Amino acid sequence: NAGVMQNPRHLVRRRGQEARLRCSPVKGHSHVYWYRQLPEEGLKFMVYLQKENIIDESGMPKERFSAEFPKEGPSILRIQQVVRGDSAAYFCASSAGTASGNTIYFGEGSWLTVV
Amino acid sequence: GIQVEQSPPDLILQEGANSTLRCNFSDSVNNLQWFHQNPWGQLINLFYIPSGTKQNGRLSATTVATERYSLLYISSSQTTDSGVYFCAVRSGGTSYGKLTFGQGTILTVHP
Repeated sequence: NAGVMQNPRHLVRRRGQEARLRCSPVKGHSHVYWYRQLPEEGLKFMVYLQKENIIDESGMPKERFSAEFPKEGPSILRIQQVVRGDSAAYFCASSAGTASGNTIYFGEGSWLTVV
Repeated sequence: GIQVEQSPPDLILQEGANSTLRCNFSDSVNNLQWFHQNPWGQLINLFYIPSGTKQNGRLSATTVATERYSLLYISSSQTTDSGVYFCAVRSGGTSYGKLTFGQGTILTVHP
């Protein structure tokens, strides 16, 4: 999967707690994307970030979810006051650019379980 | 938005058999990728193929963009091929990286 690193791989949170998921893109990639996979479903786009900027957040829930990709360090997907419905696999992806031909590489996912 | 339909939804094979998975999409695309999600949940990139034909070992893929479909061929299947195969596309006018995934084909290969 071309080096997109996600952690933690598995995270258990009680309802009302906060979940933070981290993603380090492929070295040299400045475009990061987050997707969510609910049980038995395909992946759904959440947000597209480029260094320090949110480019497209059309798939992000309006409340409790936020994402950042700072100048230094990994991208973070933050879910506040988690609920059972947030239980899902969260995948991060990256690309080198946005011109045609740039493959989008996915990480191995972070599995969030809310109990 | 663009619609992506994959068929068949489920496929059961004996080891050594060949198979063809199909992905239909409702609009022109400038990105199409095939992925394999293994039983451990890992998502593995198989092909970037918005048009044309590519081969990688026992796998090959063909996208006929003008007719809005793509095919993934698996030859001499092995038990390690089991998992879910996703097709994902991006249509013009959407931001790069905003892929729309199909619902997947669940492949089970028996020894």
